Amino acid sequence: DIQMTQSPSSLSASVGDRVTITCRASQSISKYLNWYQQKPGRAPKLLIYVASSLQSGVPSRFSGSGSGTDFTLTINSLQPEDFATYFCQQTYSTPRTFGQGTKLDIK
Amino acid sequence: QVQLQQWGAGLLKPSETLSLTCAVYGGSFSGYYWSWIRQPPGKGLEWIGEINHSGIPDYNPSLKSRVTISVDTSKNQFSLKLSAMTAADTAVYFCARGGVGASLHDWGQGTLVTVSS
Repeated sequence: DIQMTQSPSSLSASVGDRVTITCRASQSISKYLNWYQQKPGRAPKLLIYVASSLQSGVPSRFSGSGSGTDFTLTINSLQPEDFATYFCQQTYSTPRTFGQGTKLDIK
Repeated sequence: QVQLQQWGAGLLKPSETLSLTCAVYGGSFSGYYWSWIRQPPGKGLEWIGEINHSGIPDYNPSLKSRVTISVDTSKNQFSLKLSAMTAADTAVYFCARGGVGASLHDWGQGTLVTVSS
């Protein structure tokens, strides 16, 4: 199985900040990396697919980059609704594994 | 606008079989991956498996001996069965539709499944 490691596991930030979350794969996954946002009691929501494509309806302050083993999710100008948990997922091969999550809360 | 609506029993006894169904409304059923994911309380996401547009399933090896995913295209539904349930299987179970690069574009609302005697 491909292991996905996110960092940090938790992050405190303020409205208006720029934050970056990193995801590292245990082997190359080309660009098959997706990012999800999850709020308590809700299903995850797709933000970014194949590393850098913005899902329809997702604000442009979210962006993704990377290829191979190292990927980043960047949120520019944090908004109150962005405080949530973020997961990466590789879909290069099965089983399609997730990172352990990064909890973003208000400083 | 695609909507996924899932249902099934939420309380099971050890050794029983979980059965969940997910119905797809407002979109095409063909040409996508149809997936199941679970999340134990307070923990991360685990991919259970998927079935592709050709009806070929693929399962997480950690669950492969106990899991079956099937599709009923006539009803625009797909289903999950997980046998020999234990307390370790207690989780919220989600269905989802996979799109480009098998990314999970649309999700069901989730079903909390508790295994307890």
